[in-house]
Amino acid sequence: DAGITQSPRHKVTETGTPVTLRCHQTENHRYMYWYRQDPGHGLRLIHYSYGVKDTDKGEVSDGYSVSRSKTEDFLLTLESATSSQTSVYFCAIMDNHRGGNEQFFGPGTRLTVL
Amino acid sequence: QKEVEQNSGPLSVPEGAIASLNCTYSDRGSQSFFWYRQYSGKSPELIMFIYSNGDKEDGRFTAQLNKASQYVSLLIRDSQPSDSATYLCAVSRVNTGTASKLTFGTGTRLQVTL
Repeated sequence: DAGITQSPRHKVTETGTPVTLRCHQTENHRYMYWYRQDPGHGLRLIHYSYGVKDTDKGEVSDGYSVSRSKTEDFLLTLESATSSQTSVYFCAIMDNHRGGNEQFFGPGTRLTVL
Repeated sequence: QKEVEQNSGPLSVPEGAIASLNCTYSDRGSQSFFWYRQYSGKSPELIMFIYSNGDKEDGRFTAQLNKASQYVSLLIRDSQPSDSATYLCAVSRVNTGTASKLTFGTGTRLQVTL
């Protein structure tokens, strides 16, 4: 357990509505990530953060935005949810306290867009 | 060609046998290699990481890396029914404490039979 929580754990929403997922960590890690996992595609990086207010795009960033106003929280927002964004979303932190770059995942959020 | 390729399986091995899971990658600049275990409905759990050519052992797990041939493998000795899960291979272009973006394979499902 890397001290990562995600909320909500499950959400059902309708097409066109905004959705915000929250990732919270308690161990002061600098790097945080959002991935989505879909059958046949595996885990794909959406956005990541390398510090407060410092974020960058990943492989599948279209339709998503992120914000990090404090070290412990990394928010993922779907401005206008679409059915193609139905997925399981995982937050991860990179533990580089020992100089490596291992990533550890939160419990996930299952999002269904109707 | 996918960047990280794994046989989807299922790979079926009897209890007590050695399970051998393989992963190939296309980016010759890859520096870090990870194996995650994922039980159905759960988040990925890091079980091994390797940064240098050769073997790395941790308990019943051995990771093997061959950068020249661009493959990484995971051996599980004395396989147990609790090892039944999907194993995800991931690679990164960095091996230091900077922002590391993981590219995942789609996973190999392992079944350990009694």
